[in-house]
Amino acid sequence: KAGVTQTPRYLIKTRGQQVTLSCSPISGHRSVSWYQQTPGQGLQFLFEYFSETQRNKGNFPGRFSGRQFSNSRSEMNVSTLELGDSALYLCASSFSGPSTDTQYFGPGTRLTVL
Amino acid sequence: GESVGLHLPTLSVQEGDNSIINCAYSNSASDYFIWYKQESGKGPQFIIDIRSNMDKRQGQRVTVLLNKTVKHLSLQIAATQPGDSAVYFCAENMGGGSNYKLTFGKGTLLTVNP
Repeated sequence: KAGVTQTPRYLIKTRGQQVTLSCSPISGHRSVSWYQQTPGQGLQFLFEYFSETQRNKGNFPGRFSGRQFSNSRSEMNVSTLELGDSALYLCASSFSGPSTDTQYFGPGTRLTVL
Repeated sequence: GESVGLHLPTLSVQEGDNSIINCAYSNSASDYFIWYKQESGKGPQFIIDIRSNMDKRQGQRVTVLLNKTVKHLSLQIAATQPGDSAVYFCAENMGGGSNYKLTFGKGTLLTVNP
């Protein structure tokens, strides 16, 4: 069974731009969660989607948004990029939710904001 | 601030020794705890989890201990191997059921010397 895939793997943007990251979960998994990882703040939860609905949300500004499609694939969008948004963005999938099932992480998208 | 923290940021052990990585949490309502391993350039990998109704859980070469009295979590790795070298994160879930609020520790870097 294929693992969680994320595209692109690397991305360079400038301040003020927006970016869309994509995540394909493991086949059969309906829950997709997004995380931001930085050296200073560590791993922080962004949001979780289940059956195309945002079910849980972390403490990030509204510039960070996401969506999930009927095939469980998910995208996250960051608008009006700031230098502090430079981070590794990780996606993780699980069958019914990260608090009930094991979640599997993708390799991440490394975003650099200049 | 976030409640999950680690006692030691780095740990260096000899191959074949046992390793113990510690984690403190402050929310007594947390009901689910997870250990992840992250190798350089990869996403976190699930190692083992434990729910608050248990004190100990064993996996292959790994054991997680939960002490709810002092809000302490530990990961024990038996016969540590060079391939175990990575950053280890503990995480706690403060939500219940489908409510999900996973908080990660900063991580401990484990280095295994041959």
